[in-house]
Amino acid sequence: GAVVSQHPSRVICKSGTSVKIECRSLDFQATTMFWYRQFPKQSLMLMATSNEGSKATYEQGVEKDKFLINHASLTLSTLTVTSAHPEDSSFYICSARFPGNTEAFFGQGTRLTVV
Amino acid sequence: KQEVTQIPAALSVPEGENLVLNCSFTDSAIYNLQWFRQDPGKGLTSLLLIQSSQREQTSGRLNASLDKSSGRSTLYIAASQPGDSATYLCAVDTGANSKLTFGKGITLSVRP
Repeated sequence: GAVVSQHPSRVICKSGTSVKIECRSLDFQATTMFWYRQFPKQSLMLMATSNEGSKATYEQGVEKDKFLINHASLTLSTLTVTSAHPEDSSFYICSARFPGNTEAFFGQGTRLTVV
Repeated sequence: KQEVTQIPAALSVPEGENLVLNCSFTDSAIYNLQWFRQDPGKGLTSLLLIQSSQREQTSGRLNASLDKSSGRSTLYIAASQPGDSATYLCAVDTGANSKLTFGKGITLSVRP
């Protein structure tokens, strides 16, 4: 089946620094990828939809200047958490769908800890 | 606004038991429904996808059903094993830009 790879799986950074998370579709081209955030014992909350070659679409309440999304190729989307704060500590997961397929595939997730 | 509910939040059963996990959603106008498994600290693994026109899907010991009109789906796990211990999430796709709306998940513990 389709595989989505996310890197890194864990990252610890200092407050005020920026962190980049990569999401790759390994065996298919994804024109659209999705970025989610998950708090402990909570459901996944969609942050933004990443569109190849155009600007990302952010959900209400998500700061686009803080969570920068770049989808420069059909197999790679990146999420950069800028000027990280401890409250940004969370589990971030990306998702993609095989073109013409309605099934969603997810990356392994990234545990971000801001100290 | 679509809301997805999974109750109970946690479930503990002895090994070998057949069990049913429930998922309900408020808006029946869905495109499909997907069940996922999530192990602690890991991403999501797709288990079963049910299209809106289908009533059930089966994969091994798993069977998922969908009743769109009543806004319900169930995931049936036969002969549960300790390796089935994980959090199970359901998500609905309303077709609006392929966004998924998730429930909070049911954390299953299968005791040896």
